[in-house]
Amino acid sequence: QQQVKQSPQSLIVQKGGISIINCAYENTAFDYFPWYQQFPGKGPALLIAIRPDVSEKKEGRFTISFNKSAKQFSLHIMDSQPGDSATYFCAASGGLNTNAGKSTFGDGTTLTVKP
Amino acid sequence: DAGITQSPRHKVTETGTPVTLRCHQTENHRYMYWYRQDPGHGLRLIHYSYGVKDTDKGEVSDGYSVSRSKTEDFLLTLESATSSQTSVYFCAIGPQPRTGELFFGEGSRLTVL
Repeated sequence: QQQVKQSPQSLIVQKGGISIINCAYENTAFDYFPWYQQFPGKGPALLIAIRPDVSEKKEGRFTISFNKSAKQFSLHIMDSQPGDSATYFCAASGGLNTNAGKSTFGDGTTLTVKP
Repeated sequence: DAGITQSPRHKVTETGTPVTLRCHQTENHRYMYWYRQDPGHGLRLIHYSYGVKDTDKGEVSDGYSVSRSKTEDFLLTLESATSSQTSVYFCAIGPQPRTGELFFGEGSRLTVL
């Protein structure tokens, strides 16, 4: 049973445009909702994360919007750049006390930013 | 970068042979995780460890075993590799207390012929 569903599977955006990736989760026992960025041949690396008691978090061009009642969260990349071309994963992470710190991942979105 | 080293980085093997992947960390994290990454499936948890000699199953543990005899090393073993285990395997440590972040190694690409 997949607990985190991510869409779209792939996304093509023009340079300077806004990239939006959406995720929905099923289980409420998560403490954190991180987003990871992965380049080919590399491991995923944290981009930005949010706690469920916060509705929005912004870091530079990256913003997470979180809707706890709908169990949905999304990543917005403003002014998208070719260097943002990568695979993005949303995740839901349990705390050490509730879930041994395990993370459940979405299936990933491949973002291509065209120059 | 978090001090995580995976070995080997690439391996080609034949069906039925045993394979062991190694994850070595220099961060002294208590928790370590093995994930596999397949197209269209994201990252799926195979096994994890919450201390020396303490391990538990993840969502896709069939056909895999793990061992952790030292804090710094977490081994993933495929006793008899099958073609369905062709994948990229990632080791991770963590989580970071304020974000739930896991720190990933660079992956081990395994091809089972």
